[in-house]
Amino acid sequence: GAGVSQSPRYKVAKRGQDVALRCDPISGHVSLFWYQQALGQGPEFLTYFQNEAQLDKSGLPSDRFFAERPEGSVSTLKIQRTQQEDSAVYLCASSLGGGAIRETQYFGPGTRLLVL
Amino acid sequence: SQELEQSPQSLIVQEGKNLTINCTSSKTLYGLYWYKQKYGEGLIFLMMLQKGGEEKSHEKITAKLDEKKQQSSLHITASQPSHAGIYLCGADPFYNQGGKLIFGQGTELSVKP
Repeated sequence: GAGVSQSPRYKVAKRGQDVALRCDPISGHVSLFWYQQALGQGPEFLTYFQNEAQLDKSGLPSDRFFAERPEGSVSTLKIQRTQQEDSAVYLCASSLGGGAIRETQYFGPGTRLLVL
Repeated sequence: SQELEQSPQSLIVQEGKNLTINCTSSKTLYGLYWYKQKYGEGLIFLMMLQKGGEEKSHEKITAKLDEKKQQSSLHITASQPSHAGIYLCGADPFYNQGGKLIFGQGTELSVKP
């Protein structure tokens, strides 16, 4: 079956622009995660959904970052008024269960965001 | 908060040589995941360890979790160019539930033919 897909794969934005990054999880996966990966670093958690409910958004760096998953499948990460420090790879991951048990997270290819 | 430290940060080996990458945690590891990442791509799941002393193997890659569950190692036997990439360890910070993962900074492996 298809894995996690993300679009666009690359995005160049001018400072101050708004961007929207899309994630299509594996079909049927309940949990969806967003991570941010700076160059040369490991991924850092941003936010977590169980179906359409956003259960944890403790990793979102500022109120310029907003994520949604309105129908419990596709998710969008929106960054308003982008800043240069937002330049990173944004990774989406999904897992089958609802967080009550430990399950493998499967990652998408990421969206590489460059803010000029 | 839990932190994961990987060593070495980078590694260059000759094809055919064995190598080991370590992942050390400041707290107990309740679920330890190993992923591989190639430049410009997402993370590929390798293995997950949960129990102290657990060891898993897939092809030429073996991962172990120590008895105290604070350190994991990834061992590659007879390395090949296809093993090149960035290896990341990730951990569940919670005891009885899944959720967000905390990652180490990664170990970049190069294999010289």
